[in-house]
Amino acid sequence: DQQVKQNSPSLSVQEGRISILNCDYTNSMFDYFLWYKKYPAEGPTFLISISSIKDKNEDGRFTVFLNKSAKHLSLHIVPSQPGDSAVYFCAASYSNDYKLSFGAGTTVTVRA
Amino acid sequence: DSGVTQTPKHLITATGQRVTLRCSPRSGDLSVYWYQQSLDQGLQFLIQYYNGEERAKGNILERFSAQQFPDLHSELNLSSLELGDSALYFCASSATGLAGPFNEQYFGPGTRLTVT
Repeated sequence: DQQVKQNSPSLSVQEGRISILNCDYTNSMFDYFLWYKKYPAEGPTFLISISSIKDKNEDGRFTVFLNKSAKHLSLHIVPSQPGDSAVYFCAASYSNDYKLSFGAGTTVTVRA
Repeated sequence: DSGVTQTPKHLITATGQRVTLRCSPRSGDLSVYWYQQSLDQGLQFLIQYYNGEERAKGNILERFSAQQFPDLHSELNLSSLELGDSALYFCASSATGLAGPFNEQYFGPGTRLTVT
């Protein structure tokens, strides 16, 4: 049962433009959401997170938006850079739980 | 470098065999998590240990087992291997046992297991 879904397996964007990655979840108990970035032959790296008490969190070029009523979150990367080419995973958890539930990932390719 | 180390990086073995994957958490982290990533799929949570004790179980097969030792390193044992067990196995660590702010999980580089 996939509780976190990333419906776009891939995204291609031109350097300097905005990348928008989407994630949907089904478990209404989730209250903490994260994005991880993964390069080939490496483990996922924590990128940014957001708690359900917020609807936006920003860190440099990365902004995560949370729409609780729609059970949807998105990651915006502005401006996109070649080094952003990677697989991005959305993950979610809920208070007093231990594990993260991951989406299948979106492969982002930034074109020069 | 996340500070989480995993050995070996690659493992090729035959069906029916048994293998052991090893993970050392970041310095100071008490909790270790194991995840499996099969082809084109997300990471599936297998099991978590906190300070030597099993804390949570996910979709872990009975053929798989894990433990965390007093020095906090962890081992994942996979036995009676099948072709479908071929995957990337990631270990992650965090400071405490609960998911949430300031307790993000840091991942190792993974072990790629190929069962032939």
